[in-house]
Formats: sequence, structure tokens, C-alpha cells
Amino acid sequence: GDSVTQMEGPVTLSEEAFLTINCTYTATGYPSLFWYVQYPGEGLQLLLKATKADDKGSNKGFEATYRKETTSFHLEKGSVQVSDSAVYFCALRGTSYGKLTFGQGTILTVHP
Amino acid sequence: GAVVSQHPSWVICKSGTSVKIECRSLDFQATTMFWYRQFPKQSLMLMATSNEGSKATYEQGVEKDKFLINHASLTLSTLTVTSAHPEDSSFYICSAWRPTSGGDEQFFGPGTRLTVL
Repeated sequence: GDSVTQMEGPVTLSEEAFLTINCTYTATGYPSLFWYVQYPGEGLQLLLKATKADDKGSNKGFEATYRKETTSFHLEKGSVQVSDSAVYFCALRGTSYGKLTFGQGTILTVHP
Repeated sequence: GAVVSQHPSWVICKSGTSVKIECRSLDFQATTMFWYRQFPKQSLMLMATSNEGSKATYEQGVEKDKFLINHASLTLSTLTVTSAHPEDSSFYICSAWRPTSGGDEQFFGPGTRLTVL
């Protein structure tokens, strides 16, 4: 079945540091890929998505490129801020609309 | 984006009692609602899919008689944990989904923390 593997956390960075959170997936066919962010006390929010190979999703300075050859969708940001501290989830959606398979989540803490 | 609320945000109950969790989409009509369960430091696991006016579809390994789902309207779905036991303690998250002209959109609730004593 479908599965998503994220890098182990937590990740702790200083403000303005470069961020990478690795995500790889296993799926049949051509899934859509997502990054969600969860701030404390809030629901998951869609951060970015890509629906086909070589697509790049971007939002709020975050980027991720759908790499079919390496089955990866790594999240990157060039300069993190304290306000980026949250839990980040990589997810895929296969053939069933709305049904998401999530990675285990990565806690990011950014210090001033 | 749209707002999805859950009530209560946390609940503590005694073993053997039943607990109802509500999920409401506040400003759009959700064709489908999903219920997820999240264990500490683990991923969200899909429990069931519910469509308004029809029976929920449960994922393999999820007891449908234990986790009763009712989707009474396009804005409300409820999850009832029946005869709760300590192993049911978890974080329950719902999401509301609908198709759009450009594809689809999905919004998540903030979650409900259930602790069974």
C-alpha cells in the first residue's frame, strides 16, 4: 500500500538558517504530494502541493519538487523564521479523492 | 481558507463510557468528511470516510461498532467512541473535503484530545 517516510525530528535551527525536511514515498500510479503544517493548537493547513512529476510547489518561502525518479518531495526554505516553528507533515493522495496518507510529522523549532 | 471546528477540544472520560466528538465545517458544505487518529509522535491514520446521508466507510482494522460515525448534514459529522477504554486515548482529527472547479479542497479541524481513565 501507499506509504510516506519523513526524516526523524525534532529539528532545531537558528533564525535565518536553511531548512530541509526529507520526504520519500511509496505508491502505485501517480500520486499527488502535499506538505501540511500544524501550528500549536490549530488544525493542519495546506502549505504546498504538487500533482505531477517535476512540479514545484511553493508557498511562504517554502518549496518542494516532485521527483518521480527518487520518489521524493523534500521541503526546503532558504531562511527560516521563529514563526515557522510548527509540525510539518508530508502526505500523498492516490486515486481516492481526499484520502491522504501521512508521514509521521517533523517538529521544527526555530530559535531567535 | 475555510474553517473546520471540532468539539470538544479535549475530553477526559471513565472507562466504559461513550464519548461524542463533533466536526463542523463552518463556511462551506463538505461533500465528504474524514476522521483520522494520531498517536503520540506518529502519523495521522485514516479511520473512516463519511459522506452525507450514507454509511461511513471504515479502513481495515478499524472497528465500526466501536467508532460510530454519523454524517447528518453537509456541515456536521460526529464520531462516537463507544465503551471507551484506555487504549482509545488518542488525538482525533477530522477533515472536510469538497470538489471544486479547479480540483478539490480539504480543510482540517484542530483535533480532539481524548483521555480514557
